[in-house]
Amino acid sequence: KAGVTQTPRYLIKTRGQQVTLSCSPISGHRSVSWYQQTPGQGLQFLFEYFSETQRNKGNFPGRFSGRQFSNSRSEMNVSTLELGDSALYLCASSKLAPTTNTGELFFGEGSRLTVL
Amino acid sequence: GEDVEQSLFLSVREGDSSVINCTYTDSSSTYLYWYKQEPGAGLQLLTYIFSNMDMKQDQRLTVLLNKKDKHLSLRIADTQTGDSAIYFCAETGFNKFYFGSGTKLNVKP
Repeated sequence: KAGVTQTPRYLIKTRGQQVTLSCSPISGHRSVSWYQQTPGQGLQFLFEYFSETQRNKGNFPGRFSGRQFSNSRSEMNVSTLELGDSALYLCASSKLAPTTNTGELFFGEGSRLTVL
Repeated sequence: GEDVEQSLFLSVREGDSSVINCTYTDSSSTYLYWYKQEPGAGLQLLTYIFSNMDMKQDQRLTVLLNKKDKHLSLRIADTQTGDSAIYFCAETGFNKFYFGSGTKLNVKP
């Protein structure tokens, strides 16, 4: 069974550009959530999608957006990049809503974004 | 549920026990979790405990839960160099996880 796949694994952008990251969940998983990981802030929740609907959103500015497609694949977009957006962006999938099962999130290896 | 706190670093010698501590805020969390992140990888579920339990043991891992103090701990017995990683505790609420900042465990040979 293939795991959670994130692309690209590494990317470098400059300030002001925008970026799109992709996440393919484990087959059969309908919930996809995104996290930003930085050394200083740890793991910060961005948003969670279930069956193409955003059910929850973290405390990030509107420059951060996402969507989920009918095949459960998800993308997140960051516009007008800032230096502080440099981070590892992790995608996680689960079969059901995180609070209705034992909570096993399956994480991808992440997309490491560097903003210059 | 947003203030899950952990100490940032822990260093132990191989063969010793490691204890990683966490405090959480949402007493309504049904489950509390420990995730492990090895270098260059995503997080992987290590173990979890149901909120009505005080303790759970799984081979070298022991999870202790003190609901009154909202304190969760992970004990790793006979710590090995392969246990070097970042350990995150997490609680859930409203379809999202709240993770701590992670404790980096360094195991010295």
